[in-house]
Amino acid sequence: SQQGEEDPQALSIQEGENATMNCSYKTSINNLQWYRQNSGRGLVHLILIRSNEREKHSGRLRVTLDTSKKSSSLLITASRAADTASYFCATHGYNKLIFGAGTRLAVHP
Amino acid sequence: DADVTQTPRNRITKTGKRIMLECSQTKGHDRMYWYRQDPGLGLRLIYYSFDVKDINKGEISDGYSVSRQAQAKFSLSLESAIPNQTALYFCATSDLRENGNEQFFGPGTRLTVL
Repeated sequence: SQQGEEDPQALSIQEGENATMNCSYKTSINNLQWYRQNSGRGLVHLILIRSNEREKHSGRLRVTLDTSKKSSSLLITASRAADTASYFCATHGYNKLIFGAGTRLAVHP
Repeated sequence: DADVTQTPRNRITKTGKRIMLECSQTKGHDRMYWYRQDPGLGLRLIYYSFDVKDINKGEISDGYSVSRQAQAKFSLSLESAIPNQTALYFCATSDLRENGNEQFFGPGTRLTVL
């Protein structure tokens, strides 16, 4: 069974808008990671947030983590057409990553 | 990531055939993983290895086997392929010395079992 569940499953926005994706998980974690996948390609690591952190930034990305609610969010600000991809959260515990089903983001010019 | 390569990139085979997917890495990482991705589902872990000769089952290991004879190589075998093993397969690596277990993925192998 998958640990993380992303919401929404699909998101369609215009360039320049912000995109927010959410992830919920079930068990204790060491950290939570977000990955990006362009259609049919391998996943690329975006950002990692540790269980003792609440917020982290990297360029146009902002990740939050609420361990009491077992949830995380990924915010992409000022989106671009090139941000079109699937985004996955992955929880790290017991030396393994467990991935959610992903959010498909479409950014229209 | 060009440091993690997978061969073949695409494969069409028939039910009952034995198939081997290869993964090689030049990152010097000790940990390697095989995942399967189906439409609408995230990646599911098949097998993983933390060192040469170390093999651990993941979430969906039935019908698969792996071999880790060298640090840089991790191969996945389907002894007798069946249609529901049609999927996109990814190899990944990570470094034991790095906190967090960030993983680096290969480009994937698209396998179709007829």
